[in-house]
Amino acid sequence: DVKVTQSSRYLVKRTGEKVFLECVQDMDHENMFWYRQDPGLGLRLIYFSYDVKMKEKGDIPEGYSVSREKKERFSLILESASTNQTSMYLCASSTDSYNEQFFGPGTRLTVL
Amino acid sequence: GEDVEQSLFLSVREGDSSVINCTYTDSSSTYLYWYKQEPGAGLQLLTYIFSNMDMKQDQRLTVLLNKKDKHLSLRIADTQTGDSAIYFCAESPRGGGNKLTFGTGTQLKVEL
Repeated sequence: DVKVTQSSRYLVKRTGEKVFLECVQDMDHENMFWYRQDPGLGLRLIYFSYDVKMKEKGDIPEGYSVSREKKERFSLILESASTNQTSMYLCASSTDSYNEQFFGPGTRLTVL
Repeated sequence: GEDVEQSLFLSVREGDSSVINCTYTDSSSTYLYWYKQEPGAGLQLLTYIFSNMDMKQDQRLTVLLNKKDKHLSLRIADTQTGDSAIYFCAESPRGGGNKLTFGTGTQLKVEL
């Protein structure tokens, strides 16, 4: 079974803090994705990566950055958290040969 | 750009059929997907359909694709309380690499 894990299920941070969300997959997938999920807006792509050290902006990259130093790990960084970044963050991975994405359980981030 | 739309809520009685609808705008999509998100969890792939098919059946699930109208539907027969979840449709645009574009999600509530 493909497993995608995220470092925290729930996180509470203060405005201005630097926040790291970690995602690890165990199936040697080339592609990894970060989404945020908000009611009525569905999933919106923040950043994705096709390979180690490669990153591409998604639809809403502002206020976020990412890091992929190893194939299995994809980190999402909020340099200076703001209240409008309160959301559910979902990580996913996929292989090149098939577009199905496998999702982690999500991290619910609250910024106070 | 790509846009995928769904109604936000659907309520059905246990044992009835549920039909969740989705419209998309990218006619070049190669695959279309249905994902299910149970409370507090990530998304899991339910089923998918290739763009050259018009129907796919998998046990209680039937997917219908109308390419002319860019309309996708998911029918769940004999809906059970365990089917209560958010259902997302997603498209894989041709030339989009491994990205998926997700709809807003439909919250299905199954009442006794």
